[in-house]
Amino acid sequence: DTAVSQTPKYLVTQMGNDKSIKCEQNLGHDTMYWYKQDSKKFLKIMFSYNNKELIINETVPNRFSPKSPDKAHLNLHINSLELGDSAVYFCASSLTGGGYGYTFGSGTRLTVV
Amino acid sequence: GQQLNQSPQSMFIQEGEDVSMNCTSSSIFNTWLWYKQDPGEGPVLLIALYKAGELTSNGRLTAQFGITRKDSFLNISASIPSDVGIYFCAGRPLNYGGATNKLIFGTGTLLAVQP
Repeated sequence: DTAVSQTPKYLVTQMGNDKSIKCEQNLGHDTMYWYKQDSKKFLKIMFSYNNKELIINETVPNRFSPKSPDKAHLNLHINSLELGDSAVYFCASSLTGGGYGYTFGSGTRLTVV
Repeated sequence: GQQLNQSPQSMFIQEGEDVSMNCTSSSIFNTWLWYKQDPGEGPVLLIALYKAGELTSNGRLTAQFGITRKDSFLNISASIPSDVGIYFCAGRPLNYGGATNKLIFGTGTLLAVQP
């Protein structure tokens, strides 16, 4: 009965590979987000979808491509992985407006070697 | 991008002590939130604040929405070992609206509690 679930929990891959992270929420929320947490623990938003529509697209390399097949799912595909992509990626969801706060998943730790 | 300045960066205290941390912004926010992150987990919402001057408690935690709407404070009373973690403030800037609301997160405060 996990509210926001991400898979995989850990991902170790070589430079140049393509990988995907999946996220699903069962809270009935209509907005989902991807955040990146760097080694200094700073949380920075990458993307947000509202009812399958991209509404926030921060300055992120175009190697990162989100996809939302429905409002309960938001996946993140990363092409041509680089060492600097190593981080923890968090999926989150909320109701429209986000003012009541986000519910976060437990994160995907991506390590590029 | 916009950032929230959070202080202190880290705190090392004895069990039973009270803790205070704060978050400041250069612009006005209309929502302030406080999160806690345990190792290997995502941030979990502790307290949400929606109007200037609001003071809200959640057990031993008390948070306040600053009257200037540019800051917020979190206090933890009588700390216990399980309070260990990273505490983040987060805010929703006044100039965002509708479905484009995004939360800006603070830089985090690492709290260590020694039994």
